[in-house]
Amino acid sequence: DAKTTQPNSMESNEEEPVHLPCNHSTISGTDYIHWYRQLPSQGPEYVIHGLTSNVNNRMASLAIAEDRKSSTLILHRATLRDAAVYYCIIGTSYGKLTFGQGTILTVHP
Amino acid sequence: EAQVTQNPRYLITVTGKKLTVTCSQNMNHEYMSWYRQDPGLGLRQIYYSMNVEVTDKGDVPEGYKVSRKEKRNFPLILESPSPNQTSLYFCASMRSGGGTGELFFGEGSRLTVL
Repeated sequence: DAKTTQPNSMESNEEEPVHLPCNHSTISGTDYIHWYRQLPSQGPEYVIHGLTSNVNNRMASLAIAEDRKSSTLILHRATLRDAAVYYCIIGTSYGKLTFGQGTILTVHP
Repeated sequence: EAQVTQNPRYLITVTGKKLTVTCSQNMNHEYMSWYRQDPGLGLRQIYYSMNVEVTDKGDVPEGYKVSRKEKRNFPLILESPSPNQTSLYFCASMRSGGGTGELFFGEGSRLTVL
């Protein structure tokens, strides 16, 4: 099964872009890359997911390396509400999901 | 309102006393799954179900059982709980299990086994 590696923590200033990296060197060809975030005392919340191409939605962008062994979640303008733990997850086509350890994002005003 | 509902939200029990944590979703989702979250270990998948009567082990299935007799419900059963199963548990559902969708999580169930 694919494993993910994320930095333990990152910091950003409000209104600046944030690039959250994730390594998943053992990902297989049909595995999806998901990102979720979790606020204190809440369940994880969907952010974005993709397979091969870069993806954009209203919350963030997902940049996937050409070899798919790494990806980057991009928050274009961080706000204080974006402070959370961000999880990079590999999802297989048969339903198994493997979470990374998560990156604690701190956003400074 | 679309939601995943877990019960109980909080439970303190003793070693060996069987318990069930219920999970129900109202979105007609095919895929449901259970996770435990522990400090320093992040979220780990316990069991998942691609559809009714189809269940598979995740990364940490030992000590747990599940069943999926109907689409909306996916209970987590601890036949003989032990202190190392003290954790925060999350249930989640997705429209289908092919990895292409959005997981909807419940609010979590905090279990303490004495």
